[in-house]
Amino acid sequence: SQQGEEDPQALSIQEGENATMNCSYKTSINNLQWYRQNSGRGLVHLILIRSNEREKHSGRLRVTLDTSKKSSSLLITASRAADTASYFCATDARNAGNMLTFGGGTRLMVKP
Amino acid sequence: DSGVTQTPKHLITATGQRVTLRCSPRSGDLSVYWYQQSLDQGLQFLIQYYNGEERAKGNILERFSAQQFPDLHSELNLSSLELGDSALYFCASSVEQGGGYTFGSGTRLTVV
Repeated sequence: SQQGEEDPQALSIQEGENATMNCSYKTSINNLQWYRQNSGRGLVHLILIRSNEREKHSGRLRVTLDTSKKSSSLLITASRAADTASYFCATDARNAGNMLTFGGGTRLMVKP
Repeated sequence: DSGVTQTPKHLITATGQRVTLRCSPRSGDLSVYWYQQSLDQGLQFLIQYYNGEERAKGNILERFSAQQFPDLHSELNLSSLELGDSALYFCASSVEQGGGYTFGSGTRLTVV
């Protein structure tokens, strides 16, 4: 079963624009993580935000976490064609044996 | 190169057969996780090992089994294969529980 659900499922933007992806989850978490996957390849860890944090930045990435709404968002600023990929949120749920549960992902296309 | 090595990269086999997928975790990582990625089910957690011991089990079929060896490499055994087992199988490792995962590039299994 999937703990996290991303929205939208697909997003198409022009290079230079910002991309926002949202993730909702169901249970209490220790942390929430975002990963990127280029077509058919392994996932790459982008950023981790702990349950007691509200916002985190890494380069052009900004992640927010609202535990009261059980939701998170990933913002990619000044997008580039190389950002084209699928983005997944993953939750490290409490009492879940420290394994990550992934959402269905958002497919992002950045047009040059 | 992420540091997590998976072999083979591609595998084509017939229904009813048995295959073994191999994973070498990143140096220093004690936790190994196996995930199955298919178009209709997304990323599904199968099983986790920590320093040779099974730590968590997900939606792993009885036809599937895994183990982690003293040198920390892990193998996922899939038997009595069915067409629906066709998927990407990923191995990931982490240095600590509750941290980010490093994924391998996956094994693409096609059952014909």
